[in-house]
Amino acid sequence: DAGVIQSPRHEVTEMGQEVTLRCKPISGHNSLFWYRQTMMRGLELLIYFNNNVPIDDSGMPEDRFSAKMPNASFSTLKIQPSEPRDSAVYFCASSFSRAEQYFGPGTRLTVT
Amino acid sequence: GESVGLHLPTLSVQEGDNSIINCAYSNSASDYFIWYKQESGKGPQFIIDIRSNMDKRQGQRVTVLLNKTVKHLSLQIAATQPGDSAVYFCAENIYNQGGKLIFGQGTELSVKP
Repeated sequence: DAGVIQSPRHEVTEMGQEVTLRCKPISGHNSLFWYRQTMMRGLELLIYFNNNVPIDDSGMPEDRFSAKMPNASFSTLKIQPSEPRDSAVYFCASSFSRAEQYFGPGTRLTVT
Repeated sequence: GESVGLHLPTLSVQEGDNSIINCAYSNSASDYFIWYKQESGKGPQFIIDIRSNMDKRQGQRVTVLLNKTVKHLSLQIAATQPGDSAVYFCAENIYNQGGKLIFGQGTELSVKP
């Protein structure tokens, strides 16, 4: 099993640019989660999907952030326009129902 | 001004000793708990879980204890090894909130050889 796959692993971009982070969950899992981790705020849940439907997006910082899950094997998190304060490690995780979540390796985003 | 990061609790142990990492959870409606290990540069990795109908569960070298009365969770690691050095997070799942997990701030475990 390949586990949760995220791309890119590292992203460096300039303020104002659009950033798209990608995630492929573990096959058979029906829940997908996007997290952000920073030294200041720790690990924060941004949004999660159940059966491709967004269930809770209360953690999405503002309208610059959006997430989609067009099918069971793919999700994107988009930031437009990006700002330096968005610099963080973004994790995707997946699970089957109310069970343990499996995390991907993360995308380290740096916005200059 | 200078930004200040989270000040993680730190536990330093000698190789071979047992480690105990503690966690206080917030919601009395939580009925499922998980411990994760995060090594530098990696995503959190599942270690062990426990449901609220149990007060103890054992894995390989790890034991989780749950005290629902005081909303306390602990992770015990036997014969701690240098490879156990990492940040450990507890997470709680509230029974009526689907698969959403609420993570604690984490504890940094440092193992001295």
